[in-house]
Parts: sequence; structure tokens; C-alpha cells
Amino acid sequence: KAGVTQTPRYLIKTRGQQVTLSCSPISGHRSVSWYQQTPGQGLQFLFEYFSETQRNKGNFPGRFSGRQFSNSRSEMNVSTLELGDSALYLCASSFRDISYNEQFFGPGTRLTVL
Amino acid sequence: LAKTTQPISMDSYEGQEVNITCSHNNIATNDYITWYQQFPSQGPRFIIQGYKTKVTNEVASLFIPADRKSSTLSLPRVSLSDTAVYYCLVGLGGYNNTDKLIFGTGTRLQVFP
Repeated sequence: KAGVTQTPRYLIKTRGQQVTLSCSPISGHRSVSWYQQTPGQGLQFLFEYFSETQRNKGNFPGRFSGRQFSNSRSEMNVSTLELGDSALYLCASSFRDISYNEQFFGPGTRLTVL
Repeated sequence: LAKTTQPISMDSYEGQEVNITCSHNNIATNDYITWYQQFPSQGPRFIIQGYKTKVTNEVASLFIPADRKSSTLSLPRVSLSDTAVYYCLVGLGGYNNTDKLIFGTGTRLQVFP
């Protein structure tokens, strides 16, 4: 069974630009969550999508948004990039509710904002 | 919100048992406690999950006291490959719940030969 895949793996952008990251969950998994990881703030929850609906949302500004498609694939968008958005963005999938089921994480997308 | 607190770092030697405790005073009734392991440049990997008392699998045990305000991950006979960051996650679960999931600060475990 293929694991969670994220594309691209590395990305360099400049301030003010926008970026879209993609995540393909494990086949059959309906929940996709996104996390931001930085050395200073650690691992922070961004949002969770389940069956194309955002079900949980972390404490991030509206510049961070996401969506999920009918095939459970998910995209995350960050608009008007700031230097502080440089981070490892991790996607995780689970079969059902992420609170009750183990999450399977992808390798992450390393975003650098210059 | 269920905030979690873990020690920032721990050192151990190969063959020893390591216990990492996570404090979660505001855990809710329907929250589960999950532990993850993360190596550099990789996503976290699920280790174990529990709700109360004791859970054991092939790699670890999880001890949860009756009040559920803390939990302890126990790694028996650690090896060098167990050097990693360990996260405690308390899920504010339930469908349509708008609360956020809280990862702990993570405990950096260093295992020495």
C-alpha cells in the first residue's frame, strides 16, 4: 500500500507570492490534515479535511487555506507569503477521525520564503 | 483546550528503559492520547494510542492514570535507532468538533552507546 505523498518536496518562493502544496493520502483514507513544523514553534496543526469538508482548524491566519477533492487528495494554499512561513509542511491521512485513529504522515514539503 | 507539556530532552543508554511523561491537565472526556516518533527530515510516525489504564504493543507501552491528566510512554530496552523526537498528542475529537489538535512540545531522546 502506497504511503502519503506530498508534492513538491522542496519549494523556494519570495515574499508576497502564493504557493500551493499537494497531498495524496493513503488509498481509502478520508481524512487529511495539515501541519506546519518550524524549529521555534514545533509541530502546529493547520486544518483537517474529511470528505471534502473542513472539520477542524488551527490558529492560523486566513492566508492559509485548503481544500479536499472527491478522491480525498488535498491541497493547501498560502497567499501573500511572509518570511515566517518558511517551514516544513506535513500532511497526514487517516481512515476516519484523526483523534481516534493513527495518522500516517507524508515526508513533507520544505518551503523556503526569501 | 488540552495543552500538553513534555520534558524538552532526555538522555539514555542502550538497553535501558525510557519513560517519557506528558502532562495534559485539560483533557476532555472523549480525547484519546497518541504518541508519535519523528526522525530528522521525516514526518512523525505513530507509536501507540490509548484512552485509559495501560496499552502495550510491540514497540512501547502507554500508561494512563485514572484521572487521565498525564500519560507515560515507556520504551523498553532502547537502542541507538530510538534517538528521535517523541510527541504526545491529545485529540479533541468528535465529528464536527472545531477545536484544534494539540501536539506537545516534543521530547528529544538521545540514546548513547
